[in-house]
Amino acid sequence: GQNIDQPTEMTATEGAIVQINCTYQTSGFNGLFWYQQHAGEAPTFLSYNVLDGLEEKGRFSSFLSRSKGYSYLLLKELQMKDSASYLCAPADSGAGSYQLTFGKGTKLSVIP
Amino acid sequence: DGGITQSPKYLFRKEGQNVTLSCEQNLNHDAMYWYRQDPGQGLRLIYYSQIVNDFQKGDIAEGYSVSREKKESFPLTVTSAQKNPTAFYLCASSTHRGETQYFGPGTRLLVL
Repeated sequence: GQNIDQPTEMTATEGAIVQINCTYQTSGFNGLFWYQQHAGEAPTFLSYNVLDGLEEKGRFSSFLSRSKGYSYLLLKELQMKDSASYLCAPADSGAGSYQLTFGKGTKLSVIP
Repeated sequence: DGGITQSPKYLFRKEGQNVTLSCEQNLNHDAMYWYRQDPGQGLRLIYYSQIVNDFQKGDIAEGYSVSREKKESFPLTVTSAQKNPTAFYLCASSTHRGETQYFGPGTRLLVL
């Protein structure tokens, strides 16, 4: 099974930087996904990490440490439209299923 | 344009009634998934299919049924056995299992 822990809510100021942490436990590991979900909408894919280190994609970066069971999503130059929930989803390769298990999400509010 | 479509956007179910949610993709993806999302909860996997004519139960399959007769289509039936069906239902697809999942816009099911 999987345990996923991420903060429930965060607030940050427009133009600032925010880091959303995620810790997880898996029986087998096949990478970790981050998704963005605006209220009432479907999740959209942000990033995928399978090796340790930082992956940068524009204003968004994602970091992974497999030995620590830890990932974070870094959002720079925050904009109002970044107000959304951010879902951490490790992929479990246990039993060959390669299923994603989604955390409950971190609701980010960007304020002026 | 390639993508995933779900219909309807809103669906109302009477007590004791079965309802079917549609999910179609033209991305030529082999794998398709159904998730349920409740307020304050993460996405929970109902069923998934890795190939036509094959599907597997997810974590909360009771009260649901699916079929995968065509690669493009993966309809979900919410049966009367599902006692608490009110939720946001999300369909997703990926090239193969373990690859990035892309979501449809979702169907919101409400019980009258």
